[in-house]
Amino acid sequence: AQTVTQSQPEMSVQEAETVTLSCTYDTSESDYYLFWYKQPPSRQMILVIRQEAYKQQNATENRFSVNFQKAAKSFSLKISDSQLGDAAMYFCAYRSMESANFGNEKLTFGTGTRLTIIP
Amino acid sequence: AAGVIQSPRHLIKEKRETATLKCYPIPRHDTVYWYQQGPGQDPQFLISFYEKMQSDKGSIPDRFSAQQFSDYHSELNMSSLELGDSALYFCASSPPLVTSGAPNEQFFGPGTRLTVL
Repeated sequence: AQTVTQSQPEMSVQEAETVTLSCTYDTSESDYYLFWYKQPPSRQMILVIRQEAYKQQNATENRFSVNFQKAAKSFSLKISDSQLGDAAMYFCAYRSMESANFGNEKLTFGTGTRLTIIP
Repeated sequence: AAGVIQSPRHLIKEKRETATLKCYPIPRHDTVYWYQQGPGQDPQFLISFYEKMQSDKGSIPDRFSAQQFSDYHSELNMSSLELGDSALYFCASSPPLVTSGAPNEQFFGPGTRLTVL
């Protein structure tokens, strides 16, 4: 079974600064997907960014980028120019690509990192 | 754009009672996932359905059952409720499988907050 570990329960960053959230995972699979989800106080789960393991290029979405190190099984999220609206719980998630059947695409989440933005 | 609808948004039940949570996926989405997020916890996968058939099962108690109907909406039935069942229950839906190699994104609903007293 796959496991996802987020070792930083809480992080804080000054507004407009850059912060990096860490995530490591354990899997014996060679093909998989990794995601970062944001959960603001509303508790809605919002997809921030995704990475396919077979792609060497790190994914980027505006101010959000990842550092994907497949050999090290590391998947960190960098938020640049932090904004007050970035304050939320951030979950790293793993999804197998080796599903035999449709609907076998469950997400395995880490325990989350609570990000606080300091004005 | 239409989103995943979950009802009710809040539910309060007594121990040993029964609860039914409903999920209405985005139109034309054929796969539904249920997750349970306890207080201060990460979401845990419960069960999923594809084309009205159960496709995967996680750590779902035997007291819980679920199904997906012909209109693709899904219901999670919970019986003999326990205090530990108090949680936020998410439903997520995803569209028919794409062939481009990109992962099928799961679109999450707003969740149903269940409180068991």
